[in-house]
Amino acid sequence: NAGVTQTPKFQVLKTGQSMTLQCAQDMNHEYMSWYRQDPGMGLRLIHYSVGAGITDQGEVPNGYNVSRSTTEDFPLRLLSAAPSQTSVYFCASSRPSGGRTDTQYFGPGTRLTVL
Amino acid sequence: AQSVTQPDIHITVSEGASLELRCNYSYGATPYLFWYVQSPGQGLQLLLKYFSGDTLVQGIKGFEAEFKRSQSSFNLRKPSVHWSDAAEYFCAVGAIYGQNFVFGPGTRLSVLP
Repeated sequence: NAGVTQTPKFQVLKTGQSMTLQCAQDMNHEYMSWYRQDPGMGLRLIHYSVGAGITDQGEVPNGYNVSRSTTEDFPLRLLSAAPSQTSVYFCASSRPSGGRTDTQYFGPGTRLTVL
Repeated sequence: AQSVTQPDIHITVSEGASLELRCNYSYGATPYLFWYVQSPGQGLQLLLKYFSGDTLVQGIKGFEAEFKRSQSSFNLRKPSVHWSDAAEYFCAVGAIYGQNFVFGPGTRLSVLP
């Protein structure tokens, strides 16, 4: 049971490049989400999904795309990287409990630098 | 919409001293509340959570938290801090399934030997 895995761990991009951050979970969780973490700002939600084929925007979705074709995978795509997207990205998964989102399990993070 | 505040950006305590980290939330119904810890360069690990029932919740690593509805607070405590507790601590509120899970800005804890 690997939990939530993310690849790559580190990435450097040039402005305008595109890339995909990978996230996978093996806990059969319906809910998956992407956060970015910036100093002094805590974690901010980018996109989330409540199941395969269903995605929605979070607090800071601009410049990012997601899709959810399977329960296990939830990739995050940067369409045209900008320096403002330099951050640490975390993927998380969870299941519902009593109509609420239960404990979120986090991956180890991807540290992205955009030059 | 729900929100979470953590009034203390940075706290320094001596090893062996007691600790209390503050968390206040805003939510229209009874919230699901969480405390997470993040060591440098690591992901977030759940310390404890409150859903319902006993308002004093025990977690891992000797931490506990108390839910006080009248004060909209969920403060984290530990009676004796260890050097390995130096980390960043995040309070979070969980909403209705399918809605945003909101984190506070975090409190960074430093421990003096």
